[in-house]
Amino acid sequence: DAGITQSPRHKVTETGTPVTLRCHQTENHRYMYWYRQDPGHGLRLIHYSYGVKDTDKGEVSDGYSVSRSKTEDFLLTLESATSSQTSVYFCAISEGRGMNTEAFFGQGTRLTVV
Amino acid sequence: AQKITQTQPGMFVQEKEAVTLDCTYDTSDQSYGLFWYKQPSSGEMIFLIYQGSYDEQNATEGRYSLNFQKARKSANLVISASQLGDSAMYFCAMREARGSSNTGKLIFGQGTTLQVKP
Repeated sequence: DAGITQSPRHKVTETGTPVTLRCHQTENHRYMYWYRQDPGHGLRLIHYSYGVKDTDKGEVSDGYSVSRSKTEDFLLTLESATSSQTSVYFCAISEGRGMNTEAFFGQGTRLTVV
Repeated sequence: AQKITQTQPGMFVQEKEAVTLDCTYDTSDQSYGLFWYKQPSSGEMIFLIYQGSYDEQNATEGRYSLNFQKARKSANLVISASQLGDSAMYFCAMREARGSSNTGKLIFGQGTTLQVKP
């Protein structure tokens, strides 16, 4: 199994508070991704990183920011959590960006904003 | 714009029978890869099978096969001899290869929940 650890695994937070989710990998893969999973929408890309300090927005990036100061860590921050950000968040890593390169996923973080 | 469509929100299949999960895609790229992932109730994403756009033969992995019809832009997953452990959500995904603009991101469909009946 690919070494990907997401923390925390579960979190309940109040509206308006900042929240940071962490993705840690031990595979030394260059590409890292944050997705959110919601019923009826599958997984949607929030942000991705193609190297240390190199990040870009995905299709649902509003209200989220990311940082990658080390190869192994990719942080997702909700600056001011809203109820619409209640979701399951997945981190994924990929060695390359080729069309046949498999992506490996973390276990997911279930976030509830109340 | 690239898009993946899974039109079956839920499916039932009898144990030991075969089942087909539908996936259609839209892309203007000639080079792309198609993936299927399984998500059991425990939540993890498990890679099942891959098909490249230039592959002439349908991909197979054990009881999983991919019915790839390029002209129709469909990549249906076929599970033969269903088992109770196959009950899960299944996602179809696509990755394009567009030179320097390629981010390696996967685009996912909405998913299909499969329930295997004993």
